[in-house]
Amino acid sequence: NAGVTQTPKFQVLKTGQSMTLQCAQDMNHNSMYWYRQDPGMGLRLIYYSASEGTTDKGEVPNGYNVSRLNKREFSLRLESAAPSQTSVYFCASGDNYGYTFGSGTRLTVV
Amino acid sequence: GDSVTQMEGPVTLSEEAFLTINCTYTATGYPSLFWYVQYPGEGLQLLLKATKADDKGSNKGFEATYRKETTSFHLEKGSVQVSDSAVYFCALSETGGYNKLIFGAGTRLAVHP
Repeated sequence: NAGVTQTPKFQVLKTGQSMTLQCAQDMNHNSMYWYRQDPGMGLRLIYYSASEGTTDKGEVPNGYNVSRLNKREFSLRLESAAPSQTSVYFCASGDNYGYTFGSGTRLTVV
Repeated sequence: GDSVTQMEGPVTLSEEAFLTINCTYTATGYPSLFWYVQYPGEGLQLLLKATKADDKGSNKGFEATYRKETTSFHLEKGSVQVSDSAVYFCALSETGGYNKLIFGAGTRLAVHP
């Protein structure tokens, strides 16, 4: 099925550990996005990529890095996880007609 | 900067009741406006959209009209069902901003039989 695939679905990290969240889309969209969702705060943009080879910071980029590997894939890396990064992370791809979201990664940092 | 404000939830209704979820926005340009829905344990799904003033977006019995004069995009449904229980997010697309979406905080809707 066409869409956005995120892995893993769940992850528990210890403070200071690193990990990469993977995202792939087969919608042929140029733009891809990483958001985090926290209770009462909606979704906040971490990083986005307007096209292959470009990335830009969003509203809350600190503590994260991203890589747009090719048109399909856009990964999010936490170099040294902190409890404040406990959240649900969503990847999306989009165009002028709207976004398609992945099912999310629930990350807990202890 | 651009922002979206939604009514706080949760909203609790009986089946077949009328639903309104208020959404207002602040934007420097002429954004597109969206409503997304999130069912438990899932990602967000586009519910409807409107791209210019006075446009009405509609889908699955839900409607919202782009009101530039009041900077609003309220979501309505005439008769809700238990299956409509979800979190609803209002969002705007920044003008010229590579389709970046700015979301409201979300409104949880619970519909009881």
